[in-house]
Amino acid sequence: DAKTTQPPSMDCAEGRAANLPCNHSTISGNEYVYWYRQIHSQGPQYIIHGLKNNETNEMASLIITEDRKSSTLILPHATLRDTAVYYCIVRVSSNTGKLIFGQGTTLQVKP
Amino acid sequence: NAGVMQNPRHLVRRRGQEARLRCSPMKGHSHVYWYRQLPEEGLKFMVYLQKENIIDESGMPKERFSAEFPKEGPSILRIQQVVRGDSAAYFCASSPATSGGDEQFFGPGTRLTVL
Repeated sequence: DAKTTQPPSMDCAEGRAANLPCNHSTISGNEYVYWYRQIHSQGPQYIIHGLKNNETNEMASLIITEDRKSSTLILPHATLRDTAVYYCIVRVSSNTGKLIFGQGTTLQVKP
Repeated sequence: NAGVMQNPRHLVRRRGQEARLRCSPMKGHSHVYWYRQLPEEGLKFMVYLQKENIIDESGMPKERFSAEFPKEGPSILRIQQVVRGDSAAYFCASSPATSGGDEQFFGPGTRLTVL
């Protein structure tokens, strides 16, 4: 599975959009981009995933560049409860399913 | 529909004892994954199981660790002769029986402390 690079930490003001970047320059054509988050040692929580088109759900939007070498997770209106470690993961859809977590980005939402 | 359930939530063992961690996947899910998170570290994949089969155990330590997912009942992660370095949070995740870009649903974890 392709390696990802994320900034170690970011701050965001409450109510503003949080934009979390991820670089995956070695991504292959059959690899999806997944985002998970872990709030204070709880079990990780799935957020969103995509292959090449932008995706949106009730939690977030995922913007994938045309060359698929990077992506951005957008939380449109961050709240204090969004403070967490956010993980960007790329994996082949047909592999054994294991997720390879990097160090992620620690997002601190401030009042 | 209950989520992934893990028990116990906290487990304390003395060095040399055995630890058994249980995971009940979400209803209808037949794929189970175990991950370990050492203190101040990231999550590491351990093993992937389907009913009665180990599919990928590439992340499992070669000794003392074993996992099973029987036809009936929860998945079990077993650690024999625990050592202090086994102290960690162990997370279980499950996904549906379909292939391709499925998300994994995680349980709350079991915090193992080895004295």
